Amino acid sequence: AQKVTQAQTEISVVEKEDVTLDCVYETRDTTYYLFWYKQPPSGELVFLIRRNSFDEQNEISGRYSWNFQKSTSSFNFTITASQVVDSAVYFCALTSNTGGFKTIFGAGTRLFVKA
Amino acid sequence: ETGVTQTPRHLVMGMTNKKSLKCEQHLGHNAMYWYKQSAKKPLELMFVYNFKEQTENNSVPSRFSPECPNSSHLFLHLHTLQPEDSALYLCASSQGPPGTQYFGPGTRLLVL
Repeated sequence: AQKVTQAQTEISVVEKEDVTLDCVYETRDTTYYLFWYKQPPSGELVFLIRRNSFDEQNEISGRYSWNFQKSTSSFNFTITASQVVDSAVYFCALTSNTGGFKTIFGAGTRLFVKA
Repeated sequence: ETGVTQTPRHLVMGMTNKKSLKCEQHLGHNAMYWYKQSAKKPLELMFVYNFKEQTENNSVPSRFSPECPNSSHLFLHLHTLQPEDSALYLCASSQGPPGTQYFGPGTRLLVL
């Protein structure tokens, strides 16, 4: 079975704090893809990053960084020096061969960044 | 227009009405998706179309009827909906599964 777990329902931080959003996934496939999306209050899901299962290299993009660890089936997302504009719901997602590459989304983590 | 657009952005309808949601993608993708996002549930995949052919129907009630006339347009026809169908309906497109999905802004639907 495929599953994505985002155990943190809500996180509240003060501006400039660093925050890490956790994502744990389950799949039996050896080829799969992991994603993070941001959903601001406007509703649109904004694509942030895609990782395939053969590339465990961590990635940094500005204040955002991602830590992919196959050994623990985790794909965590860190925001450094958070800003109020980072307030949103963040979704982790998994796509794999099982079920014809159907994408499974986690329940999401709502991040509040207070000024 | 760029990206994925959806109309209308907001819709209020009675249970006996018939309405349609429209999605258009300007990204040259060949796969399109409908998702439902309710307040207390994770994002639920409803339908997938790949090269205009439906490849996924995730046990969606027949009161939701999708239509994909070409790779750029996707419709969701609604009839005799229930109040529990009130949700945010999101459209997405990708360069085929397992391509990265790009989402539209969604239609907020309220069924009275």
